[in-house]
Amino acid sequence: AQTVTQSQPEMSVQEAETVTLSCTYDTSESDYYLFWYKQPPSRQMILVIRQEAYKQQNATENRFSVNFQKAAKSFSLKISDSQLGDAAMYFCAYRRDTPLVFGKGTRLSVIA
Amino acid sequence: DTGVSQNPRHKITKRGQNVTFRCDPISEHNRLYWYRQTLGQGPEFLTYFQNEAQLEKSRLLSDRFSAERPKGSFSTLEIQRTEQGDSAMYLCASSLDRDRGIGANVLTFGAGSRLTVL
Repeated sequence: AQTVTQSQPEMSVQEAETVTLSCTYDTSESDYYLFWYKQPPSRQMILVIRQEAYKQQNATENRFSVNFQKAAKSFSLKISDSQLGDAAMYFCAYRRDTPLVFGKGTRLSVIA
Repeated sequence: DTGVSQNPRHKITKRGQNVTFRCDPISEHNRLYWYRQTLGQGPEFLTYFQNEAQLEKSRLLSDRFSAERPKGSFSTLEIQRTEQGDSAMYLCASSLDRDRGIGANVLTFGAGSRLTVL
């Protein structure tokens, strides 16, 4: 079974600085999708960024970018110019044919 | 379309009672998922539907849990004889089943239904 590991339960970053959240996963497949979802306190989960494994180019969405290392099965999220609104739980997730498998999450605090 | 809607948002019940949650997905989405999330954990998959067919059920889904999606539109998740361990946030998500392209394989989540069993 696929597993997703987020080794940082909590992280903090100063406003306007850059932070990187780590994620590793385990799979024997070669074609799959990876996601980062954000869950603000008491609010619904929203998609931050998506990566298709067959694409070598790292995905970017404005201030959010990933470092996808397929051989190492690593999928980290970089948040640049951190803002107070970035404070949330961040979940890394994997999907191929089965529904999304989530990691346990990283709680990000942004310090003003 | 206002996204994925879940009702009720909060439910407090006594142990042994039955509860039902409803999810209205994005109208053009053909897949619908139920997840359970406990405090400080990531969502855990329970079951999913493609149109009205229930395609997969997790081992987490005991026989006290039942989910339906009549006519491939909204879905209900019923928990019978609730136990304190059922206290959690129940998340619904929907997606459009498509191999590639914009939106492919992206799940859109509702705000969740929080269950507290006393």
